[in-house]
Amino acid sequence: NAGVTQTPKFQVLKTGQSMTLQCAQDMNHNSMYWYRQDPGMGLRLIYYSASEGTTDKGEVPNGYNVSRLNKREFSLRLESAAPSQTSVYFCASSGGHLSNQPQHFGDGTRLSIL
Amino acid sequence: GQQVMQIPQYQHVQEGEDFTTYCNSSTTLSNIQWYKQRPGGHPVFLIQLVKSGEVKKQKRLTFQFGEAKKNSSLHITATQTTDVGTYFCAGSGGKLIFGQGTELSVKP
Repeated sequence: NAGVTQTPKFQVLKTGQSMTLQCAQDMNHNSMYWYRQDPGMGLRLIYYSASEGTTDKGEVPNGYNVSRLNKREFSLRLESAAPSQTSVYFCASSGGHLSNQPQHFGDGTRLSIL
Repeated sequence: GQQVMQIPQYQHVQEGEDFTTYCNSSTTLSNIQWYKQRPGGHPVFLIQLVKSGEVKKQKRLTFQFGEAKKNSSLHITATQTTDVGTYFCAGSGGKLIFGQGTELSVKP
């Protein structure tokens, strides 16, 4: 099984450009998450989806939108990229409730905004 | 809001030495999870602790959950170069909140 697949792996954008980060999981998990990881900051939750058809804000949602396209796919969109959004983005999924099941992470998208 | 603090931020050890990272929450947790992230990699789930005072072992790794369910620790006995990486705790009081991580380097 592939687990959690993220595309692209690397991306460079100019300030003001938009892009969508894709995430798909093949573990039939209900919950999916988007995190950003910055040096010394750990993993910060951007948005999550507890089940198909629902999405909720996490700790740092400003500047982002998400879509839970179906049970497998959860995308993250930057409408107008800013240098402060330069980061490594991880998608994750879990089988049960938001916080009582292990989370499985994708390989990450390394995003640079100039 | 809920905060999870982890110390130290960095730890450099000689191979064979022990290593401990500590995790403290501002609120009582329902459970705590530990993850390991190798350099350039993604976080990988290690273990979950649920019960007050729980202790679990995985080979050279020992995980503890405090009696008050507000703190936890990960102890590695006799570190090896394969232990290199960043160790994160993640506490749950609703959503899962990650600590800042402890980056472990091991000198052969």
